[in-house]
Amino acid sequence: AQSVTQPDIHITVSEGASLELRCNYSYGATPYLFWYVQSPGQGLQLLLKYFSGDTLVQGIKGFEAEFKRSQSSFNLRKPSVHWSDAAEYFCAVGAAEYGNKLVFGAGTILRVKS
Amino acid sequence: GAVVSQHPSWVICKSGTSVKIECRSLDFQATTMFWYRQFPKQSLMLMATSNEGSKATYEQGVEKDKFLINHASLTLSTLTVTSAHPEDSSFYICSGNDRINTGELFFGEGSRLTVL
Repeated sequence: AQSVTQPDIHITVSEGASLELRCNYSYGATPYLFWYVQSPGQGLQLLLKYFSGDTLVQGIKGFEAEFKRSQSSFNLRKPSVHWSDAAEYFCAVGAAEYGNKLVFGAGTILRVKS
Repeated sequence: GAVVSQHPSWVICKSGTSVKIECRSLDFQATTMFWYRQFPKQSLMLMATSNEGSKATYEQGVEKDKFLINHASLTLSTLTVTSAHPEDSSFYICSGNDRINTGELFFGEGSRLTVL
């Protein structure tokens, strides 16, 4: 079965500090990988996506993620966090073999302290 | 990116009534639409997959007679929560996959349902 693991439920970082949110997946097919951000009561915003090619992917708002096939990981990073980055972040995985439906991780809530 | 519009954004209804949520792809043709449900402080869980012109495929544990999904055109899918109960209160989000089938889903803004 397909599964996505985000091991950190909450993360707190200081404004200006670097950030890494972890995502591991278990999938029986070549995955598409996504990171989404959700503010309270809001919908999802796509931060970045990986389908193929360069394993380091650049996204919006200064975020990047690196696909490591050997580790089945797709960790999200940002070199310097801003207070406005506080939100919940979801990693999601899909595959054409599974009809492109996305399986979401449990989410990581990011808190930014000033 | 492509735009998906959901309506209503929020709805409050009485227990036992039915509620319809619309999901429209505004600038692309969605051959497949996915309906997700998100309970408070939880992740998104796929409820069902609908392909235009055919019956929806429901995930395990989702009652097809309670959550009626219609995907009659390439730009519109609807989810009807029938005989709603307080435990159906949730955030419902639709997403569409375009005909090019790139693998990327485009999400609506979500519909918050509160059943009293």
